[in-house]
Amino acid sequence: RKEVEQDPGPFNVPEGATVAFNCTYSNSASQSFFWYRQDCRKEPKLLMSVYSSGNEDGRFTAQLNRASQYISLLIRDSKLSDSATYLCVVNPNFGNEKLTFGTGTRLTIIP
Amino acid sequence: GAVVSQHPSWVICKSGTSVKIECRSLDFQATTMFWYRQFPKQSLMLMATSNEGSKATYEQGVEKDKFLINHASLTLSTLTVTSAHPEDSSFYICSASEPSGRFHEQYFGPGTRLTVT
Repeated sequence: RKEVEQDPGPFNVPEGATVAFNCTYSNSASQSFFWYRQDCRKEPKLLMSVYSSGNEDGRFTAQLNRASQYISLLIRDSKLSDSATYLCVVNPNFGNEKLTFGTGTRLTIIP
Repeated sequence: GAVVSQHPSWVICKSGTSVKIECRSLDFQATTMFWYRQFPKQSLMLMATSNEGSKATYEQGVEKDKFLINHASLTLSTLTVTSAHPEDSSFYICSASEPSGRFHEQYFGPGTRLTVT
């Protein structure tokens, strides 16, 4: 089993729709969780850290379920600029800082 | 967020030559930086962890004598690809952890696209 698993997609979603990504992780002792976005031929950019209680930043909502070892990202009112690959990232050892990446989910917003 | 720079952004070199890539944390000090490699349509693969003032820690399968890492200061790590071959052509990205971040968030440099001819 992969340490971090994501649906690779691609997700093709009409502009204005809501889209949700899911991610599971295998190490129950993992300490911190992130969503990054990566545009084609660019570096990953931090989108959100994921708090235990869930957190929201504008149109983006992240949830963490430690019992199920599951992380989600919800994008509301999707925009063309949201087209990118979304990476689920886990830090298995708090303080170690070595991240484990999912393979990413490709999202395309259709006009 | 914190800023990490990389130089050069792209480089073309001949087979057999060496290439040095620099990674700098611009507005914070980073005791640890990370070097990744990404091939087209694949995810990032961690190559090594660069520790200021000590030897780098390499991931399994990464040749330490081929990919030389030096982390001489709290704001600079360098990766040297020695005796480059066409199969080393890839997108090399560094990252650094912002120490004041609640979750030790990592910020990535813009990457260096290496083409070996």
